[in-house]
Amino acid sequence: NAGVTQTPKFRILKIGQSMTLQCAQDMNHNYMYWYRQDPGMGLKLIYYSVGAGITDKGEVPNGYNVSRSTTEDFPLRLELAAPSQTSVYFCASSYVAGGGNQPQHFGDGTRLSIL
Amino acid sequence: ILNVEQSPQSLHVQEGDSTNFTCSFPSSNFYALHWYRWETAKSPEALFVMTLNGDEKKKGRISATLNTKEGYSYLYIKGSQPEDSATYLCALMDTGRRALTFGSGTRLQVQP
Repeated sequence: NAGVTQTPKFRILKIGQSMTLQCAQDMNHNYMYWYRQDPGMGLKLIYYSVGAGITDKGEVPNGYNVSRSTTEDFPLRLELAAPSQTSVYFCASSYVAGGGNQPQHFGDGTRLSIL
Repeated sequence: ILNVEQSPQSLHVQEGDSTNFTCSFPSSNFYALHWYRWETAKSPEALFVMTLNGDEKKKGRISATLNTKEGYSYLYIKGSQPEDSATYLCALMDTGRRALTFGSGTRLQVQP
C-alpha cells in the first residue's frame, strides 16, 4: 500500500537553483495539497488542487509553482531557491465529495536545505 | 483565514498518567476539526475528524470532544505509554477549499 509517495526525501540546493518536488498518490483522491513546516510553526498550506487541471494558492505560495496534469501526481516546483525556502515539505491527499469527512493522508516529507 | 491555538506547547508525563490538551478556535465557521498524531521522522497520521458540536470520538486509549459553541476541542489520553510520545496536531478544515489550517501542536513526552 503505497499511499502518498514523495521524492526526494532530502535535498540540498544552492541559492538560485531550481528543483521539483514530486508527489504521487495511488488512492484515487481528488484533492491534493502541499504544506511546509518550519520549526516551531504549524504546517502552512502552499498550494492545493481539487482535481486534474485545477490548482489554487494557499497561504504561502510565493516562490513556488504547481501543476496537476493527472489525478495521481502533484509536483511542486521551486524556480529560484532562496534560504527562506529551507523547510520540510509535505504532500497530502484526500477524497472530498459531498458531506464526507475524510482525513488527509500525508507523505513522508521532503527535507530541503538552501545554502 | 482560520485561527487555531493549541496548548500546552509541550507536556512531560510519567507512564500511566492520563493527560489532555486543548485546541481552541475563535470562530466555529469551519467544516471539520481534525486531530493528527505526528511522530518524529514520520508523516502525520489521522486520529479523528469531528464536525458536530458535542461530537465525541474514541480510538483505544485516546478520545476527543468538540465544543463549537465555546470554541474548543479536547484530546484525552488515558494511561499514557511511551509509544504515545509524539506531537499532536489540531487542524480546522475550511468550508471552501477543504484545506487544513494547523495549530502549532502539543509535543507529548511520556517517561517510562
